[in-house]
Amino acid sequence: AQSVTQLDSQVPVFEEAPVELRCNYSSSVSVYLFWYVQYPNQGLQLLLKYLSGSTLVESINGFEAEFNKSQTSFHLRKPSVHISDTAEYFCAVIPQTDKLIFGTGTRLQVFP
Amino acid sequence: DVKVTQSSRYLVKRTGEKVFLECVQDMDHENMFWYRQDPGLGLRLIYFSYDVKMKEKGDIPEGYSVSREKKERFSLILESASTNQTSMYLCASSLWSTSYNEQFFGPGTRLTVL
Repeated sequence: AQSVTQLDSQVPVFEEAPVELRCNYSSSVSVYLFWYVQYPNQGLQLLLKYLSGSTLVESINGFEAEFNKSQTSFHLRKPSVHISDTAEYFCAVIPQTDKLIFGTGTRLQVFP
Repeated sequence: DVKVTQSSRYLVKRTGEKVFLECVQDMDHENMFWYRQDPGLGLRLIYFSYDVKMKEKGDIPEGYSVSREKKERFSLILESASTNQTSMYLCASSLWSTSYNEQFFGPGTRLTVL
């Protein structure tokens, strides 16, 4: 069965520091990969996605993620975080079915 | 602009009550989904629907049922609420025709069962 592993449940960082949120998936077939973000007291919003083509994908607010097929990873990175990036981040995959499979989430806490 | 709305942000019910959670989307999406979100467990799929009057069980359907009488509305029903159903419930919708089925989420309903 397919699964998604987010290795860190919480990641505390200081403002302007770089951050990496890790995501690994298990699947024997091609997948589509997503990162969703949930700000406090809100629903989930799509941050970025990998469908095909370039393995590096970017969001409008400075996040990027790289699809690594050999390591079955889709880690999320940002070179310099802001207080406003404080949120919970969910990695998800669609393994060619109609159902998203979510990881357990990583809570990013940015401190001044 | 894409919009998924849920009838309540916060709900408090007593054990044994019948609970209705309503979700409406205005994007003419075929697919609709109900998830519950619990700390350390991420999002788990309860039920989903591909079309009006169609429903499919997700990963944790026990204790829940759903209703989809109109394309834009998908209801989650707790026939007899229990304390272990205290959780955040998220509704989502997506287009059937897209190959990657990007899902759009509502703001969530935080249900407390006492």
